[in-house]
Amino acid sequence: EAQVTQNPRYLITVTGKKLTVTCSQNMNHEYMSWYRQDPGLGLRQIYYSMNVEVTDKGDVPEGYKVSRKEKRNFPLILESPSPNQTSLYFCASSPRDYNEQFFGPGTRLTVL
Amino acid sequence: GENVEQHPSTLSVQEGDSAVIKCTYSDSASNYFPWYKQELGKRPQLIIDIRSNVGEKKDQRIAVTLNKTAKHFSLHITETQPEDSAVYFCVLWDSNYQLIWGAGTKLIIKP
Repeated sequence: EAQVTQNPRYLITVTGKKLTVTCSQNMNHEYMSWYRQDPGLGLRQIYYSMNVEVTDKGDVPEGYKVSRKEKRNFPLILESPSPNQTSLYFCASSPRDYNEQFFGPGTRLTVL
Repeated sequence: GENVEQHPSTLSVQEGDSAVIKCTYSDSASNYFPWYKQELGKRPQLIIDIRSNVGEKKDQRIAVTLNKTAKHFSLHITETQPEDSAVYFCVLWDSNYQLIWGAGTKLIIKP
């Protein structure tokens, strides 16, 4: 089944404890992206990647890191999480730029 | 940076009536304008998109119009049904391959 998977789906952690949210797609898509969704603000792009080894900052990259070492994987890393990073996170992929984005199921993160 | 303004933030219509959501933007280089629907507790899904060389596109009860001169694009839903209740987002891909999302419109269909 063609899909985007994210893990974990739910995570409660404490301030400063490094964490990684994984994202994987099996559709051979070139473009991958991370978003955070907060009430009243829509989705905001954190980082995006046009292809392997190519990543760019989105609107809200502060406090996040990404890497794209393989085409299928695009992990999101929070080196020192803070409470203002409590949010719903979505990973998405598309065949290339200017195409439909396919979303993962989302990861709900709470930082205490 | 690029910004997309979406209106209204909430829209309540009687079942069977039409709904219109409008978005305005500033980046004249944008060429691709998708619309996503997000049902409660679910992930966003594409419902229709339009490219800059087209002024209007229809798919059954859903249509999108684009006015590049005025820099706005709109979503039209006719003969609304209960399953149309959701949050709708307008999006544009800017010239740097970044996606800019509107804040969303909560569409409520009254029985």
